[in-house]
Amino acid sequence: AQSVTQLDSHVSVSEGTPVLLRCNYSSSYSPSLFWYVQHPNKGLQLLLKYTSAATLVKGINGFEAEFKKSETSFHLTKPSAHMSDAAEYFCVVKAAYNQGGKLIFGQGTELSVKP
Amino acid sequence: DGGITQSPKYLFRKEGQNVTLSCEQNLNHDAMYWYRQDPGQGLRLIYYSQIVNDFQKGDIAEGYSVSREKKESFPLTVTSAQKNPTAFYLCASSASPGNEQFFGPGTRLTVL
Repeated sequence: AQSVTQLDSHVSVSEGTPVLLRCNYSSSYSPSLFWYVQHPNKGLQLLLKYTSAATLVKGINGFEAEFKKSETSFHLTKPSAHMSDAAEYFCVVKAAYNQGGKLIFGQGTELSVKP
Repeated sequence: DGGITQSPKYLFRKEGQNVTLSCEQNLNHDAMYWYRQDPGQGLRLIYYSQIVNDFQKGDIAEGYSVSREKKESFPLTVTSAQKNPTAFYLCASSASPGNEQFFGPGTRLTVL
């Protein structure tokens, strides 16, 4: 069965410093992985997705993630945090092919950005 | 603009009442989904529909019902059988099952 684990429930950084949000996955086949962002009381927005092409995936707003099969990880990074990056981030894996495109969500990591 | 709309944004319900949450998309997507989000938790799948006139239960379907009579609409009814309905409800759609999902702005339901 597929699953994801976000290793930090909360991360705090200073504006202008790097961001690292950690995610490990478990999958019995080559996974499709996503990162979504959610600002307070809003819907989710897709940041980036990995679907077995390049292992380094670039997304919107300067975020990127690297798929590492040997480590079963898909960590999200950004070189320099901006105040507007403060939000909840979800690492997501797609369930097996016969489950209607179901997504399996991690518990979320809340990112705080200090001035 | 193409997108997903959910209404209302905030909804209050008395215990024992059924309530229906609206979800409409104009993206011409085949698949639609309903999720529930509770504080400090990820999203949990309630129901999904891969095509018009067809839908399947997700992980937490008890106390909920849906219909998919039109491609663009996927309303969710929270029935009185749902024991803890206060939550943030999110609707999503995808071009086909397995593609990335696009989310609506959500409806916050509070049971008084």
